[in-house]
Amino acid sequence: EAQVTQNPRYLITVTGKKLTVTCSQNMNHEYMSWYRQDPGLGLRQIYYSMNVEVTDKGDVPEGYKVSRKEKRNFPLILESPSPNQTSLYFCASSFSWGGRTYEQYFGPGTRLTVT
Amino acid sequence: QKEVEQNSGPLSVPEGAIASLNCTYSDRGSQSFFWYRQYSGKSPELIMSIYSNGDKEDGRFTAQLNKASQYVSLLIRDSQPSDSATYLCAVTGGGADGLTFGKGTHLIIQP
Repeated sequence: EAQVTQNPRYLITVTGKKLTVTCSQNMNHEYMSWYRQDPGLGLRQIYYSMNVEVTDKGDVPEGYKVSRKEKRNFPLILESPSPNQTSLYFCASSFSWGGRTYEQYFGPGTRLTVT
Repeated sequence: QKEVEQNSGPLSVPEGAIASLNCTYSDRGSQSFFWYRQYSGKSPELIMSIYSNGDKEDGRFTAQLNKASQYVSLLIRDSQPSDSATYLCAVTGGGADGLTFGKGTHLIIQP
């Protein structure tokens, strides 16, 4: 089954404790992206990657890191989480050709709470 | 800053009627347009994609695009209670941009 998977699905942590949210896709998509969703603010892009070893900032990258060492994986790293990073996080992937991206498919989401 | 505007609703439609959802966008260079459905606490699910002016139909759904007016819409025919959800309009340009989402329209189908 073609899918995007994220782990963990739920995470409660404390301020300053480094964490990683994993994302994996089995569709051989070039493009992968991370979003956060907050009430009243909608979905906002954190980071994206056009291909292996190519990453760039989205609209709200502060406090986050990413890496793209393999085509299928795109982990999101919070080096020192803070309460304002409490949110619902989605990973997405899409086919990309000629510098253009197409339909994005989303993972199930990770609900993160930082206390 | 690219912007995508949607009426937040709630939009209430009787079962069996046509639901009409609208979206405007600010970037004239936008090339790809998508409608996603999102149930509370779940991930966005792609419903329709449209890339050129005009109408695109898929089952009970029709997407309409007018690039001159920077306007895209989604029509849902024969609305069902299971269509009750938040509908997100998303737009992307021709480069490496990700999706820019509107904040969504909350649709309620009344039985």
